[in-house]
Amino acid sequence: DQQVKQNSPSLSVQEGRISILNCDYTNSMFDYFLWYKKYPAEGPTFLISISSIKDKNEDGRFTVFLNKSAKHLSLHIVPSQPGDSAVYFCAASQIRQGGKLIFGQGTELSVKP
Amino acid sequence: DTGVSQNPRHKITKRGQNVTFRCDPISEHNRLYWYRQTLGQGPEFLTYFQNEAQLEKSRLLSDRFSAERPKGSFSTLEIQRTEQGDSAMYLCASSLGSTPYEQYFGPGTRLTVT
Repeated sequence: DQQVKQNSPSLSVQEGRISILNCDYTNSMFDYFLWYKKYPAEGPTFLISISSIKDKNEDGRFTVFLNKSAKHLSLHIVPSQPGDSAVYFCAASQIRQGGKLIFGQGTELSVKP
Repeated sequence: DTGVSQNPRHKITKRGQNVTFRCDPISEHNRLYWYRQTLGQGPEFLTYFQNEAQLEKSRLLSDRFSAERPKGSFSTLEIQRTEQGDSAMYLCASSLGSTPYEQYFGPGTRLTVT
């Protein structure tokens, strides 16, 4: 039962343009949603999170949007930079379940100069 | 460096051998989580601790796996009688109890079972 899904395994964008990464979930009880970035041979790095009671959170070039009715969230990166090239994971958490993270399969972003 | 550390970074072992991994969390974090990641997948939850108490174990954690956090600081994950299917990246993360979802990950231990 895949509760968190990232349906695009890869995405390629031009430097300076917007990158939009998408994530869908099935469990309406999730309290928080997070995005992590992962380089090869390293652990995931926390990027940004959003509470289920909000619909937008922004941090510098990164903005996360949450659409609860559609059970969908997205990460926008503007402007995209070559250093953003990595695998991005969306994750969801339920406080009552100890805060453990349920991850999607990841989307590999490639930002071309 | 005050981040999460894991040792060893790589481990190659023969099938049937026992292996043990160590995780040192961020010092003020009382929550510690273990995850496993295989190629092309996101990390999957294995178990977590609040201080020294192990509060949940995933169905993925067979009886060959055991985890401890004896003094509420570092944690160890042991796999007995390793199988080739155990080959994966084992990730440790820590967080504050007040914000358990905001987890900070270590670099992982890459296990290869031959």
